[in-house]
Amino acid sequence: DTEVTQTPKHLVMGMTNKKSLKCEQHMGHRAMYWYKQKAKKPPELMFVYSYEKLSINESVPSRFSPECPNSSLLNLHLHALQPEDSALYLCASSQQGLRETQYFGPGTRLLVL
Amino acid sequence: SQQGEEDPQALSIQEGENATMNCSYKTSINNLQWYRQNSGRGLVHLILIRSNEREKHSGRLRVTLDTSKKSSSLLITASRAADTASYFCATDGTGNQFYFGTGTSLTVIP
Repeated sequence: DTEVTQTPKHLVMGMTNKKSLKCEQHMGHRAMYWYKQKAKKPPELMFVYSYEKLSINESVPSRFSPECPNSSLLNLHLHALQPEDSALYLCASSQQGLRETQYFGPGTRLLVL
Repeated sequence: SQQGEEDPQALSIQEGENATMNCSYKTSINNLQWYRQNSGRGLVHLILIRSNEREKHSGRLRVTLDTSKKSSSLLITASRAADTASYFCATDGTGNQFYFGTGTSLTVIP
């Protein structure tokens, strides 16, 4: 099974809402990532979890809060987002680190009103 | 920005023709990877080339790497309509960095 799943596929939220994005993989990978992708732009790395510990936070605003409950699951908690945070949020995983092949989920398309 | 640049930004070809896209990057790398993204969906890994390799093949894909020029190219031979997608190079660097290039949008006309 080389699949990374993400839920929900689409999300619309107001600026005062709290919501969570979920990501799951069952490939035994020990590294998982969150990326943000704006329209017609490349993905930008937000967070890196390695062996369930946050190892990289690319200066992302605190209104984004990642969580890795176990080696198969990755969450991204959203609170007090701004309209400019509207984007496609992609989850990915790899065996151990960023230098290896990454497997991406289909993404969650987020719209902040 | 550490982001790589890809050239051309957009490419339109007839089915059966070859497509070449180029990537230039800024820092020393360990590996360079190429990914494909169909419209609005997740990325699919195509090929990984290590810094000590100069060329790599996978099916209809051929990737070259020139570390002295900090550049790579992706050649897709005998293109098909299903190859229509955006193509991104991606580079790692020192300190656990990972950057995607600006991307090339490929359209293959049946």
